[in-house]
Amino acid sequence: EPEVTQTPSHQVTQMGQEVILRCVPISNHLYFYWYRQILGQKVEFLVSFYNNEISEKSEIFDDQFSVERPDGSNFTLKIRSTKLEDSAMYFCASTDGGLADTQYFGPGTRLTVL
Amino acid sequence: AQSVAQPEDQVNVAEGNPLTVKCTYSVSGNPYLFWYVQYPNRGLQFLLKYITGDNLVKGSYGFEAEFNKSQTSFHLKKPSALVSDSALYFCAVRDLYSSASKIIFGSGTRLSIRP
Repeated sequence: EPEVTQTPSHQVTQMGQEVILRCVPISNHLYFYWYRQILGQKVEFLVSFYNNEISEKSEIFDDQFSVERPDGSNFTLKIRSTKLEDSAMYFCASTDGGLADTQYFGPGTRLTVL
Repeated sequence: AQSVAQPEDQVNVAEGNPLTVKCTYSVSGNPYLFWYVQYPNRGLQFLLKYITGDNLVKGSYGFEAEFNKSQTSFHLKKPSALVSDSALYFCAVRDLYSSASKIIFGSGTRLSIRP
């Protein structure tokens, strides 16, 4: 069964450093998402990406964040200058599209900012 | 605004007993509802969804959920719990006002099944 994959599983970085989180969505999916889950809190939406551009972003997704689909398979989330409060589990998801379609999530990347 | 609420932070059930994890929703229009499960150190796994049709939806691992429009609820159920069902369960709703059809999650319910 196809699945969403993410690398690395755990990233530790110093405050102020840049990090790139990588995702490989399910191959025939068209819509891609990043969500995050701060420890003990809800899973919250960050950004969606369709047709090579951001289709929607949340208030969390400020200028420090960017997303890219550099090739036909990878989907990346970059944080330019990490802050302590960026420490969280980051989930990538993908879907065919449409309200009825299921979003399938990857296993997540745990980001720890020291 | 679209939202879901999970009133219980934790549910404890003995193995073999039926389990229910509660979820209520607030949606303008027809809801698209989902249940996801998160096992320790794992991602969010899709269990089941309600789009339209039968109010009883069957999903993975023997789970089912009952959509109740009058009570605006979508409770997750299983007739006989297993210790391996112990995990964090999230109810979620598709944001009908989102151009990207993003999902809005509840706060999660930790299910603990004792042997």
